[in-house]
Amino acid sequence: EVQLVESGGGLIQPGGSLRLSCAASGFIVNTNYMSWVRQAPGKGLEWVSVIQSGGSTYYADSVKGRFTISRDDSKNTLYLQMNSVRAEDTAVYYCARGKADNWYDPWGQGTLVTVSS
Amino acid sequence: DIQMTQSPSTLSASVGDRVTITCRASQSISSWLAWYQQKPGKAPKLLVYKASSLENGVPSRFSGSGSGTEFTLTISSLQPDDFATYYCQQYHTYPLTFGGGTTVEIK
Repeated sequence: EVQLVESGGGLIQPGGSLRLSCAASGFIVNTNYMSWVRQAPGKGLEWVSVIQSGGSTYYADSVKGRFTISRDDSKNTLYLQMNSVRAEDTAVYYCARGKADNWYDPWGQGTLVTVSS
Repeated sequence: DIQMTQSPSTLSASVGDRVTITCRASQSISSWLAWYQQKPGKAPKLLVYKASSLENGVPSRFSGSGSGTEFTLTISSLQPDDFATYYCQQYHTYPLTFGGGTTVEIK
């Protein structure tokens, strides 16, 4: 069964750092596009970042220079390093597998990041 | 960035109704569009990709159409399990962008 399980969310102060993890099972992470998508409380979906199978990475302007997407092939795990976080980064963060391109299924269950002092 | 605009933002309908949701792109995205369903507290679920290709396991009452800048998601006969929020997403160009969502409510 293809499955994604996120972890690492929590309460963090503005300006702090946090690393989210997304453990994959049932498929190989580095053979797929993998994205992070977030959803602020009560709001819609916002794409954050992608790492393509070849290793190229892209970011939303709102996180560029602050967040870094990466993967560990030995652990079959996707990461999102979040630095210099802001209140507006508060959201549920989902990881998702790209199917052949940039349409996504499945998605993980999400991990909540709350940025507050 | 490509802006995705969904309408309506909320839709009230009854079981058995035919429901149509529209998604417009600010520039042509060919057929590089996906639709997702999301229920409260749950992750999104893929319904349609390449504008009109139904994902495996998705009921045939769902269908997608369109190309260029205008797209629709149609539910031919609304079922109780279909009350949810629906999002379109373009993957023509980075940054990937989603529509604002359409919530289908019970009338």
